[in-house]
Amino acid sequence: DAKTTQPTSMDCAEGRAANLPCNHSTISGNEYVYWYRQIHSQGPQYIIHGLKNNETNEMASLIITEDRKSSTLILPHATLRDTAVYYCIVRVADRDDKIIFGKGTRLHILP
Amino acid sequence: DTGVSQDPRHKITKRGQNVTFRCDPISEHNRLYWYRQTLGQGPEFLTYFQNEAQLEKSRLLSDRFSAERPKGSFSTLEIQRTEQGDSAMYLCASSSPAGGINGYTFGSGTRLTVV
Repeated sequence: DAKTTQPTSMDCAEGRAANLPCNHSTISGNEYVYWYRQIHSQGPQYIIHGLKNNETNEMASLIITEDRKSSTLILPHATLRDTAVYYCIVRVADRDDKIIFGKGTRLHILP
Repeated sequence: DTGVSQDPRHKITKRGQNVTFRCDPISEHNRLYWYRQTLGQGPEFLTYFQNEAQLEKSRLLSDRFSAERPKGSFSTLEIQRTEQGDSAMYLCASSSPAGGINGYTFGSGTRLTVV
């Protein structure tokens, strides 16, 4: 699977939009972009995924650039409970492959 | 079905002892994954089952580690002759027969401390 690059950490004020970037310049045409997050002492939680179109669900929005080399996860109104490590992953969705995690971005929501 | 369950949540053991962890996946999920996570790192893949067949094992899974999924439902991960370096969070995840296109569901993990 392609590798991703994320900032080590970010801060965001409570109530503001949190924008988490991810670079995946070597992504293949059949690879999706997935986002997970991991709150302290819990397992990772699936957030959203997309191929090339922007996606939105009840948790977040995913913006993928037209060349698919980067993406941004948007938490529209961050709360303290959004403090977590956010992982950006690229993988072929319909294969049996395991997910390979990087170190992710540690997001701190500031009161 | 309340998701992926792992038992125990915490385990403290003395070096050299054997430990076994259990994972109960979401009932309709046929794929089950084990990961290990140490402090400050992302989860590292250990092994993966499709139904009862163990399809892939990481090089991280030394001879002291063994995983089973005898009836294609729950799975166990055993560590023999534990070492202090085995101290970590052990995570289990499952995914649907659709190939995990909608992502994996993870359990809350078993935190192992080897003293």
